[in-house]
Amino acid sequence: KAGVTQTPRYLIKTRGQQVTLSCSPISGHRSVSWYQQTPGQGLQFLFEYFSETQRNKGNFPGRFSGRQFSNSRSEMNVSTLELGDSALYLCASSPSGQGRETQYFGPGTRLLVL
Amino acid sequence: AQSVTQPDIHITVSEGASLELRCNYSYGATPYLFWYVQSPGQGLQLLLKYFSGDTLVQGIKGFEAEFKRSQSSFNLRKPSVHWSDAAEYFCAVGTPTNAGKSTFGDGTTLTVKP
Repeated sequence: KAGVTQTPRYLIKTRGQQVTLSCSPISGHRSVSWYQQTPGQGLQFLFEYFSETQRNKGNFPGRFSGRQFSNSRSEMNVSTLELGDSALYLCASSPSGQGRETQYFGPGTRLLVL
Repeated sequence: AQSVTQPDIHITVSEGASLELRCNYSYGATPYLFWYVQSPGQGLQLLLKYFSGDTLVQGIKGFEAEFKRSQSSFNLRKPSVHWSDAAEYFCAVGTPTNAGKSTFGDGTTLTVKP
């Protein structure tokens, strides 16, 4: 099976712009989670989607949003970018996001905000 | 809410020496515990996981971890470290109802001396 894929891998934006990141989960996985990784804050949970519905949400401002499509692919959007949004954004998928499951991570999208 | 502490930010060991990376968790019930490894610029790769049962779990690349409920710990060990093990290691905790939302420690960076 193909692993979790994320596009693009690298992105440079300027403050105030918006950005959309994409994640394709492992085939058959319906739960998709997003994490932000920065040197200062470490790995922080953003949100989880299951069956096109946001099921869990972390402690991030409303500028961070996401959605999931019927084929389980997910996108996350960050509006009005700030310098502090520079980070590695990781996507993870699992079959249902419940029970004894493992999350499988993609390679990440590295976002640089100038 | 669950939390994870990795007390060692950085560890240096000589190639061939043994390794132990510490992880302490906080969670009211039996947690689901994971160790991941991340090479520079890459996503997270699962090394091993614990859900229940035998408290000593074997993983990939010769790693093992032991769950000690009395100490709220899940330390990662390897008997003989290879230069290719140099990377950042993350301990994470999940729960049965929120497998799509993991809480990560701050990570331990491993340097291997020749």
